[in-house]
Amino acid sequence: GAGVSQSPSNKVTEKGKDVELRCDPISGHTALYWYRQRLGQGLEFLIYFQGNSAPDKSGLPSDRFSAERTGESVSTLTIQRTQQEDSAVYLCASSSRTGVGEQYFGPGTRLTVT
Amino acid sequence: AQRVTQPEKLLSVFKGAPVELKCNYSYSGSPELFWYVQYSRQRLQLLLRHISRESIKGFTADLNKGETSFHLKKPFAQEEDSAMYYCALSISGAGSYQLTFGKGTKLSVIP
Repeated sequence: GAGVSQSPSNKVTEKGKDVELRCDPISGHTALYWYRQRLGQGLEFLIYFQGNSAPDKSGLPSDRFSAERTGESVSTLTIQRTQQEDSAVYLCASSSRTGVGEQYFGPGTRLTVT
Repeated sequence: AQRVTQPEKLLSVFKGAPVELKCNYSYSGSPELFWYVQYSRQRLQLLLRHISRESIKGFTADLNKGETSFHLKKPFAQEEDSAMYYCALSISGAGSYQLTFGKGTKLSVIP
C-alpha cells in the first residue's frame, strides 16, 4: 500500500503570505503527527491528532500555525502571515495506534519564505 | 523537559571498521528510545527501538539507564550504512507519544 504522502513537495512563498500544507496518512492509521525540521536541527513536534479526540497542539510555535484533520483522513497544516523563520521542512507521520509504535513519515514539504 | 543529545554531527569510518553513534537523553522517568535513519533521497524510517531488543541491518542499541544513553553500534560498517541517523525519545503516558529527536549524526562510510 501507499505510504504517507505530502503535498506540495516544495513551496516558495513571500513573507506575509499564508500557506497550506497537506498530509495523507496511511489508510487506517488513527494517529497523525506534524513535525518541523529547520536546517541543521532535529525534528520538532508541532501537533498530534488521534481519531476524533482533541488534538495535542502543545508544539505549535505561535498562533499563526494551525492544523485540521477530519476523522482519520487528510490533515492540513496552515501557516498564516509567514515569516522567514518558518522556512523549514515540514514532516507528517502517521501511526496505527498510540503508544509505543512505529511512526511512518512522509517525504516532507520544503517551505522557503523569501 | 526531555532532551536528546547526539554529540557528533558527522562521523566518518572506513568500511569494515566498527561504528558507534552516540545518543544521550535527559528525562527523569522511563522513556522509550528509538533510532531513525534517513538514507539519501529517502524518507525518515525507523531503524530500531529499545523495547524490541533486536538487531536490524547489523545494528544494535542498548539502553543504559544509569548513563542515560542509547548508543547505536555496528561491528563492521558497510558503505550502504552511510545516512543520517536520529536518536529519538517517546514518553509513555504523555498522551500523544510524540517523538523528541536529537539533531542527528551523518554517518559516512569510506570505501
